[in-house]
Amino acid sequence: EIVLTQSPGTLSLSPGETATLSCRASQSVSTTYLAWYQQKPGQAPRLLIYGASSRATGIPDRFSGSGSGTDFTLTISRLEPEDFAVYYCQQYGSSPWTFGQGTKVEIK
Amino acid sequence: QVQLVESGGGVVQPGRSLRLSCVASGSTFSNYAMHWVRQAPGKGLEWAAGISYDGSSRDYIDSVKGRFTISRDNSKSTLYLQMNSLRAEDTAVYYCARVGVGFGYYYYMDVWGKGTTVTVSS
Repeated sequence: EIVLTQSPGTLSLSPGETATLSCRASQSVSTTYLAWYQQKPGQAPRLLIYGASSRATGIPDRFSGSGSGTDFTLTISRLEPEDFAVYYCQQYGSSPWTFGQGTKVEIK
Repeated sequence: QVQLVESGGGVVQPGRSLRLSCVASGSTFSNYAMHWVRQAPGKGLEWAAGISYDGSSRDYIDSVKGRFTISRDNSKSTLYLQMNSLRAEDTAVYYCARVGVGFGYYYYMDVWGKGTTVTVSS
């Protein structure tokens, strides 16, 4: 099983700032198989990034993904009020599909 | 647009059974693999089970193997999760999610339902 560890647990930032979220895998993950999701309270997750760096349909370009091997990053530039949420990374290259434990981006 | 609607959740005693359903609309259901992902209260996301577009492949997280069965009826555009021998630790919101590439299996989840809540308690 591939374990994904996200850091930090919580990120306190102000609107307009840049958020940098990390996802580290216990073994190498092909870039093809790494995704990021956003979840707001009481809502279902929403796909942001797939293939480590490809934005899903309708996702603003202030969201960007990068990384390879065991280290991946989600960057949110110019934080908007609606971006404050919990973010999860996920690998989908092998069973069991696994998620990181999440990073909460909160308003400072 | 593509929509997934879950149902079947509720409060159930430990050891009992429950069947969840997820009805899809707006796309060709039979072309896409599907998953169940759960989220315990205040916790993160946990993948529970997945099934290929034609039902020929099924996978489960270890903690539900032998107790849960994922299935699908493509003629009804419906995904199911039969949950037997339920435990308190199965308490969660259960989301169904569609794989983002037709006829693929190891892909991201691009469409999610709103979820159905399962509470296992005596």
